[in-house]
Amino acid sequence: DTGVSQDPRHKITKRGQNVTFRCDPISEHNRLYWYRQTLGQGPEFLTYFQNEAQLEKSRLLSDRFSAERPKGSFSTLEIQRTEQGDSAMYLCASSLDRGQQQFFGPGTRLTVL
Amino acid sequence: DAKTTQPNSMESNEEEPVHLPCNHSTISGTDYIHWYRQLPSQGPEYVIHGLTSNVNNRMASLAIAEDRKSSTLILHRATLRDAAVYYCILSTFLNQGGKLIFGQGTELSVKP
Repeated sequence: DTGVSQDPRHKITKRGQNVTFRCDPISEHNRLYWYRQTLGQGPEFLTYFQNEAQLEKSRLLSDRFSAERPKGSFSTLEIQRTEQGDSAMYLCASSLDRGQQQFFGPGTRLTVL
Repeated sequence: DAKTTQPNSMESNEEEPVHLPCNHSTISGTDYIHWYRQLPSQGPEYVIHGLTSNVNNRMASLAIAEDRKSSTLILHRATLRDAAVYYCILSTFLNQGGKLIFGQGTELSVKP
């Protein structure tokens, strides 16, 4: 088991473009979480999945953001019409179930020019 | 969401014990106390968690006050690799689905 992986590790895009990030959780982990972290701040919760069902979305997740987890395995986070304020580190985490420790990936750093 | 209060930064000398405090005066009976740390340029890493009793694992110890309004993460012998931001987090799994609400954390620096 190689842990949680995220792709790409870095993404630079121009304002207005769409971007998509991928997260591969630890196999057999039912729960998958997305967080966003800006410089000097702690991570902020965005959304989470129990298998393929998206059970909660933060108010931070505007209509431009969409997340999926088809078949309950990997997950994608898409940002449409990116804005400079979207520049941040996007972190993915997975856990075996509710209440279990979360294992974080290395994150995808997004820079919107 | 119940809040935690931590010092912004702390310093330690290598090979000495470190006590990282956390106040959580509004903790509820179903809140677990979690500690995660984040090394530079990495995602957060689980350290330890507990409910009422003190807990020990290979990384650290967690001392929880009797009234549960505060807790202390103890690193028994700090190493340079322990330099990180340490987050104290309350999580009520019954209602919050296990999401973690991070605060600002304590930035620990370790001097050789």
